[in-house]
Amino acid sequence: KAGVTQTPRYLIKTRGQQVTLSCSPISGHRSVSWYQQTPGQGLQFLFEYFSETQRNKGNFPGRFSGRQFSNSRSEMNVSTLELGDSALYLCASSLGDRGNYEQYFGPGTRLTVT
Amino acid sequence: AQSVTQLGSHVSVSEGALVLLRCNYSSSVPPYLFWYVQYPNQGLQLLLKYTTGATLVKGINGFEAEFKKSETSFHLTKPSAHMSDAAEYFCAATREYGNKLVFGAGTILRVKS
Repeated sequence: KAGVTQTPRYLIKTRGQQVTLSCSPISGHRSVSWYQQTPGQGLQFLFEYFSETQRNKGNFPGRFSGRQFSNSRSEMNVSTLELGDSALYLCASSLGDRGNYEQYFGPGTRLTVT
Repeated sequence: AQSVTQLGSHVSVSEGALVLLRCNYSSSVPPYLFWYVQYPNQGLQLLLKYTTGATLVKGINGFEAEFKKSETSFHLTKPSAHMSDAAEYFCAATREYGNKLVFGAGTILRVKS
């Protein structure tokens, strides 16, 4: 079974631009969560989607948004990019929305904002 | 609010020695607990998880962890370190409902030959 895929793997953007990252979960998984990883702040939860509905949101500004499609694929969007948005963005998929389900992570998208 | 603390940002062991990575959680209700490993430029790989039942959990690659409610701990161990174990390890917790993982700051494990 194919794992979680994220595209693109690397991205370079300029301050003020916007970016869209994509995540394809493992087949049959209905939950997708997004995390931001930086050297200074570590791994921080962005949001979680289950069956196209946002179930949970982390403490990030409104510039960060996401959505999930009917096939469970998810996208996250960051508008008006800032230098501090440079990070590794990871998505994770899970069968359901119970905490005891295993979450499988993709390889991440490395975003660099210049 | 739920929090996870990993003691020691860097741990160095010799090949063949015991690996012990420490994790403590702060929660009024014991959460579900996980250990993940991350190799450079890669995503996170699940090593093991504790949900309910047996408090000693065995995972992949010879790792295991013991849930101790009285100590609010979930330390990760491996009897004999291998060079391939060198990576960053994250302890994480989540609640019964929802997939929001709260991560510790991570521990970089170095294995010396």
